[in-house]
Amino acid sequence: QLQLQESGPGLVKPSETLSLTCTLSGGSISRSSYYWGWIRQPPGKGLDWIGSIHYSGNTYYNASLESRVTISVDTSKNQFSLQLRSVTAADTAVYYCARMSGYSGSGNYYYYMDVWGKGTTVTVSS
Amino acid sequence: DFVMTQSPDSLAVSLGERATINCKSSQSLLSTSNNKNYLAWYQQKPGQPPKLLISWASTRESGVPDRFSGSGSGTDFTLTISSLQAEDVAVYYCQQYYSSPPNTFGQGTKLEIK
Repeated sequence: QLQLQESGPGLVKPSETLSLTCTLSGGSISRSSYYWGWIRQPPGKGLDWIGSIHYSGNTYYNASLESRVTISVDTSKNQFSLQLRSVTAADTAVYYCARMSGYSGSGNYYYYMDVWGKGTTVTVSS
Repeated sequence: DFVMTQSPDSLAVSLGERATINCKSSQSLLSTSNNKNYLAWYQQKPGQPPKLLISWASTRESGVPDRFSGSGSGTDFTLTISSLQAEDVAVYYCQQYYSSPPNTFGQGTKLEIK
């Protein structure tokens, strides 16, 4: 059974870079059917999709974060990663990684999240 | 971007009674090419990650109790819990994936026991 596990620092200083990794167990990241995504949830608030990546390296980002975000994949380690630069207190959240199922075609992307990691809390504070 | 609006924001229902959560999209989520609605429902219990309940507006995920059902088409959708159980206390989110990126979530509906 596929499991996803987020890892990374729980505390990041303002203006620095938040870096998280999602490691898969019980399944391969190199499946063409899936994208792999990052979603965050600020304290007491709803869910915000950050971006997604295919094992081929194709990425999609939320336009509101695109200038600060990079998502990458390492198929040899069965991992994908998130980097969020120039963080502020507004980036404090629980960060989730997820498998995304659906399909893409004609330049469009139709995916929902069907397996989630447990999440990791990241606080931005000096 | 598509805007997803859920109603109500919170809901209290007695055990064994029906709970109904609504989700409205700013634009249609129905594809005319395959007649599918690109809408998912998630359940998030306190301290846990979201869990996918329903995809394609009405397709229940494996292992999800059949008291959960999804309905609707176009811009208006409903998640119904036919007989509320104590373990159903959670926040429920709808999400569109017809016009993505971005994947857009509703603001969430908090379901409690009356």
